[in-house]
Amino acid sequence: AQTVTQSQPEMSVQEAETVTLSCTYDTSESDYYLFWYKQPPSRQMILVIRQEAYKQQNATENRFSVNFQKAAKSFSLKISDSQLGDAAMYFCAYRSFGSGNTGKLIFGQGTTLQVKP
Amino acid sequence: GAGVSQSPSNKVTEKGKDVELRCDPISGHTALYWYRQSLGQGLEFLIYFQGNSAPDKSGLPSDRFSAERTGGSVSTLTIQRTQQEDSAVYLCASGRTGFTGELFFGEGSRLTVL
Repeated sequence: AQTVTQSQPEMSVQEAETVTLSCTYDTSESDYYLFWYKQPPSRQMILVIRQEAYKQQNATENRFSVNFQKAAKSFSLKISDSQLGDAAMYFCAYRSFGSGNTGKLIFGQGTTLQVKP
Repeated sequence: GAGVSQSPSNKVTEKGKDVELRCDPISGHTALYWYRQSLGQGLEFLIYFQGNSAPDKSGLPSDRFSAERTGGSVSTLTIQRTQQEDSAVYLCASGRTGFTGELFFGEGSRLTVL
């Protein structure tokens, strides 16, 4: 079974600085998707960024980028120019790719990010 | 509707009572998930519906938990004989057929069992 691990329960960053959130996963599959979701205090989860495992290029979405290391099974999220609105809980998630799988997303334990003004 | 709608937003019940939580997914989304999130914790997978396929119930913690999805749309999660450890936020999410994994989440139903 696949597992997702986020080893940083809490992180903090100064406004306008850069922060990196860590995520590792365990799988025997070669094709899959990885995601970072954000959960603000309102509770509603929002997709931040997505990476397909077959793509070597790291995904980027404005101030958010990932460092995907397939061999190391690592998928970190970098937030540049941090803003107060980035304060939230961040979840790393894994989904199998291809037919025959249930398609369920498996989430890590989450990292709470605090942004200091 | 425009987004995933969940009701009730908050529910307080007494130990031993049954509760029903409702999820109305985005129109046209065939995938529907239920997750449970305990205070400050990650998301625990409960159940997954995909179109007309048999649901994946592998995450349901006990036989007190059940879920159904009528007409491929609205889903109801039922918890029978609630226990205090059932207290959590129950999140519903939906996705498109063949979706690459992006899920659209509701705001959740917070259940408190006294």
